[in-house]
Amino acid sequence: GDSVTQMEGPVTLSEEAFLTINCTYTATGYPSLFWYVQYPGEGLQLLLKATKADDKGSNKGFEATYRKETTSFHLEKGSVQVSDSAVYFCALNRPQGTALIFGKGTTLSVSS
Amino acid sequence: DAGVIQSPRHEVTEMGQEVTLRCKPISGHDYLFWYRQTMMRGLELLIYFNNNVPIDDSGMPEDRFSAKMPNASFSTLKIQPSEPRDSAVYFCASSLGTSGRANEQFFGPGTRLTVL
Repeated sequence: GDSVTQMEGPVTLSEEAFLTINCTYTATGYPSLFWYVQYPGEGLQLLLKATKADDKGSNKGFEATYRKETTSFHLEKGSVQVSDSAVYFCALNRPQGTALIFGKGTTLSVSS
Repeated sequence: DAGVIQSPRHEVTEMGQEVTLRCKPISGHDYLFWYRQTMMRGLELLIYFNNNVPIDDSGMPEDRFSAKMPNASFSTLKIQPSEPRDSAVYFCASSLGTSGRANEQFFGPGTRLTVL
């Protein structure tokens, strides 16, 4: 079945460091791919998305490129801030549409 | 719009008691989803509705769990009787659709359930 695999956390970085959180997927067809972020005590918020191969989603300095050849959607940010500390979830949605399938989440902690 | 509204935000109850969680989706959204989040299992889909009709309830853990959507603006998730292993954060989400540009899901703040 369809699935999403994220790198294990927690990821601990200093402010202004470069961030990569790896995400790979298994799915039939051409799913849409998402990154959601969950700040402490809150629900999930959509961070960015990509709906077809080679699309790049971007928001708030974060980027991810839909790579069909490697079935990946890695999240990157060039310079993280303390306020980026949160849990990040990679997810997919099949073209025919069902609920999202989430990875287990990666906790990011940024210190000043 | 106020976003997805869930109540209560926190619930503490004793084993064996009935628990009812409530959700108001964003107006105009045709899809409503219930998720459960635990440290061990991450985010799991429990059930989702399309136009108030349950479409997939395969994630509902057992008969103690039930969900209803009597109208487009209200849904409930009920656990009866509750058990300590039901302790988790329960999220409700809604979306316009499930494909293309309509497939963004908007999440509520969640209900943190603790069963003693």
